[in-house]
Amino acid sequence: EDKVVQSPLSLVVHEGDTVTLNCSYEVTNFRSLLWYKQEKKAPTFLFMLTSSGIEKKSGRLSSILDKKELFSILNITATQTGDSAVYLCAAGQYNFNKFYFGSGTKLNVKP
Amino acid sequence: DGGITQSPKYLFRKEGQNVTLSCEQNLNHDAMYWYRQDPGQGLRLIYYSQIVNDFQKGDIAEGYSVSREKKESFPLTVTSAQKNPTAFYLCASSMYSEKLFFGSGTQLSVL
Repeated sequence: EDKVVQSPLSLVVHEGDTVTLNCSYEVTNFRSLLWYKQEKKAPTFLFMLTSSGIEKKSGRLSSILDKKELFSILNITATQTGDSAVYLCAAGQYNFNKFYFGSGTKLNVKP
Repeated sequence: DGGITQSPKYLFRKEGQNVTLSCEQNLNHDAMYWYRQDPGQGLRLIYYSQIVNDFQKGDIAEGYSVSREKKESFPLTVTSAQKNPTAFYLCASSMYSEKLFFGSGTQLSVL
């Protein structure tokens, strides 16, 4: 059965802290790992990872994929209250063009 | 501007009634998707379509139906057979298994 598991399910930190969000996957014909941020309604795209070991960065956010161990991490440094959101990861497949989502990690950044 | 338009934003269903959620995209994407999100949970795939006049069931297709008569449009009907339809519904599209683009969602509630 294809599945994506995220941990932790929720996290409370204070501004300035660094957080690491985890995503493991077991998906046949794996092609890509996607990270999204969902604040209110529609998820917004953060990263797409297809190769192992290559870190992608955008400001204070970074992510990396390990295709051997089947996981990805999303790091957020110097967290701000605006980072409070649900972070979703999804694994995409070749051929079937399907994407499997994890249950999300709810991040709450306190002032 | 290119994007995905979902309507309505809010929808109320009476018992025994079928309702249709609209999804239109002008991104020229081949693949379109419908996801369901329950409070505090990730996204679950209802139906997806890779080309016009073709679609496949996702993990939770029971009680739902779709059509794909035009590349731009992928409406979702929630039938009376869906006994627990209250949820947030997201439509998405993609090209060649690249990242998903999302609409702003429809919140469906039961009267």
